[in-house]
Amino acid sequence: EAQVTQNPRYLITVTGKKLTVTCSQNMNHEYMSWYRQDPGLGLRQIYYSMNVEVTDKGDVPEGYKVSRKEKRNFPLILESPSPNQTSLYFCASSFAATGANVLTFGAGSRLTVL
Amino acid sequence: QKEVEQNSGPLSVPEGAIASLNCTYSDRVSQSFFWYRQYSGKSPELIMSIYSNGDKEDGRFTAQLNKASQYVSLLIRDSQPSDSATYLCAVNDGTSYGKLTFGQGTILTVHP
Repeated sequence: EAQVTQNPRYLITVTGKKLTVTCSQNMNHEYMSWYRQDPGLGLRQIYYSMNVEVTDKGDVPEGYKVSRKEKRNFPLILESPSPNQTSLYFCASSFAATGANVLTFGAGSRLTVL
Repeated sequence: QKEVEQNSGPLSVPEGAIASLNCTYSDRVSQSFFWYRQYSGKSPELIMSIYSNGDKEDGRFTAQLNKASQYVSLLIRDSQPSDSATYLCAVNDGTSYGKLTFGQGTILTVHP
């Protein structure tokens, strides 16, 4: 089944404890992206990747890191999480980034930072 | 900061009516426009894309784009309770292909 898989789906952690949210897609998509969703603010783009080893900042990159060493994986790293990073996170991918942006989303990862 | 604005609602319509959802965007060079639907507790899913001025129809859904006025709308005909969801407008400017900006979403409720 074609899908985007995120893990963990739910996580409660404490301030400053490094964590990684994994994202993997099995559709051979070139483009991958991370979003966070907060009430009243909609989906905001954190980082995106046009292809392997090519990443760029979205609208809210502060406090996050990403890497794209393989085409299928695009992990989101929180080096020192803070409470304002409590949010619902979505990973998404698409076949090409050339304006199409027909995204397939993962199921989401709900993160709570205490 | 490029902005995409939607009325957060909630928009309530009776079953069988036409639901009209609107979205305005600030960047005149925007090229690609999308409507995603998100059920409560689920991830967004694409329902319509539109790239040129005018109307695009797909079943009960019609997307309308007016680049001169910088708005895009979604009409849902014969609304059903199963259409109750949050509808997200998304815009890509075509110069930075990877950047997709979403509006805050409009909550639609279709009551029997």
